[in-house]
Amino acid sequence: GAVVSQHPSRVICKSGTSVKIECRSLDFQATTMFWYRQFPKQSLMLMATSNEGSKATYEQGVEKDKFLINHASLTLSTLTVTSAHPEDSSFYICANGIPDMNTEAFFGQGTRLTVV
Amino acid sequence: KNEVEQSPQNLTAQEGEFITINCSYSVGISALHWLQQHPGGGIVSLFMLSSGKKKHGRLIATINIQEKHSSLHITASHPRDSAVYICAAYTGNQFYFGTGTSLTVIP
Repeated sequence: GAVVSQHPSRVICKSGTSVKIECRSLDFQATTMFWYRQFPKQSLMLMATSNEGSKATYEQGVEKDKFLINHASLTLSTLTVTSAHPEDSSFYICANGIPDMNTEAFFGQGTRLTVV
Repeated sequence: KNEVEQSPQNLTAQEGEFITINCSYSVGISALHWLQQHPGGGIVSLFMLSSGKKKHGRLIATINIQEKHSSLHITASHPRDSAVYICAAYTGNQFYFGTGTSLTVIP
């Protein structure tokens, strides 16, 4: 079945550096990709919605200059955490948008980011 | 109040027991999803429901649209079922997630 492949699964970076997380849809075209963040013991929180060929829509409180989202093709959406700080350490996960009732939700494997 | 409420938050069961996880939601939905998240974090979609009942192996999911309630049942539970189960309501343009039910099945 359709799969969303997310990479990397784990990353440790130094404060001040940038980290790029990729989500690829392997056998379907994802015009919309949701990006979520999950803190320990908490539910997934929507950060932004990326749309192929247009600007992402960010949720209130999410800094668009810090969390850069690019959805340049129907198979690739990326999230770049710029100038990372320890408080950005979290679990980030993507999921494809669902265009109709017959489409499943597919989630990436998630990326555990640790900023030291 | 969260748009999606799950119960229980934590559940410990003996291997072989029948397990039920409940989900109530307050938003209008186009579909209700049950997700499984393993300790490493990866999420798998178990079911997508818009009405009635679905069965996949030992897993059964039901939904009552009028009552805005869904249940996930696991028959003959096994230690490999240990995971966090998340209810997610899809409105047509976004998901609302429950906080999850952490299930531990003891051999």
